[in-house]
Amino acid sequence: QLQLQESGPGLVKPSETLSLTCTVSGGSISSSSYYWGWIRQPPGKGLEWIGSIYYSGSTYYNPSLKSRVTISVDTSKNQFSLKLSSVTAADTAVYYCARHVRDTAMVQDWYFDLWGRGTLVTVSS
Amino acid sequence: QSVLTQPPSVSGAPGQRVTISCTGSSSNIGAGYDVHWYQQLPGTAPKLLIYGNSNRPSGVPDRFSGSKSGTSASLAITGLQAEDEADYYCQSYDSSLSGFVFGTGTKVTVL
Repeated sequence: QLQLQESGPGLVKPSETLSLTCTVSGGSISSSSYYWGWIRQPPGKGLEWIGSIYYSGSTYYNPSLKSRVTISVDTSKNQFSLKLSSVTAADTAVYYCARHVRDTAMVQDWYFDLWGRGTLVTVSS
Repeated sequence: QSVLTQPPSVSGAPGQRVTISCTGSSSNIGAGYDVHWYQQLPGTAPKLLIYGNSNRPSGVPDRFSGSKSGTSASLAITGLQAEDEADYYCQSYDSSLSGFVFGTGTKVTVL
């Protein structure tokens, strides 16, 4: 069945750019039924949606992070990626990639049905 | 701070019924947007539990049920089992924030 796997550095220095990749296996990222999203969870805290991307490159971003976030997709590699710039200690979190189901015409009703295992990224000098 | 408020914790004995509330406002749940629920077992990724307010994905036991009314939603767990000990999050969309939002999370403890 379809699986998602996050990869990237576990340690990033303050003010630098955090870069993560999510590899989708067992299915195509180029499906019309799904967007692909990033969600993060600071240690001991709740979940925060970062943004989502369609295989065509169309994106939705969390307005609170939009100025620092870039999400891109590489359909040839069945991957999508996250870049978060100017990181601080507040960006330390487990970062999850997930499949974002667009089973209705209303974007507002979409949900995440499959998640990667997550990867911890620590921001520290 | 999230715009969807959940009780920090709920507990119950095995076999009992517990409910988790998710309280929002007119810019999210009250606007008619769907509510979804996720279960996060200790040290693991969240798992979709309920989508579209009350629908269960394949493989989710019917002990779990969801409902929505007005500006709130609820997740009920009947016949509570030890394996249900986890954190539970609601999720919806907020038009004021222009984005998808998660609830504050609720820890379920089986006594």
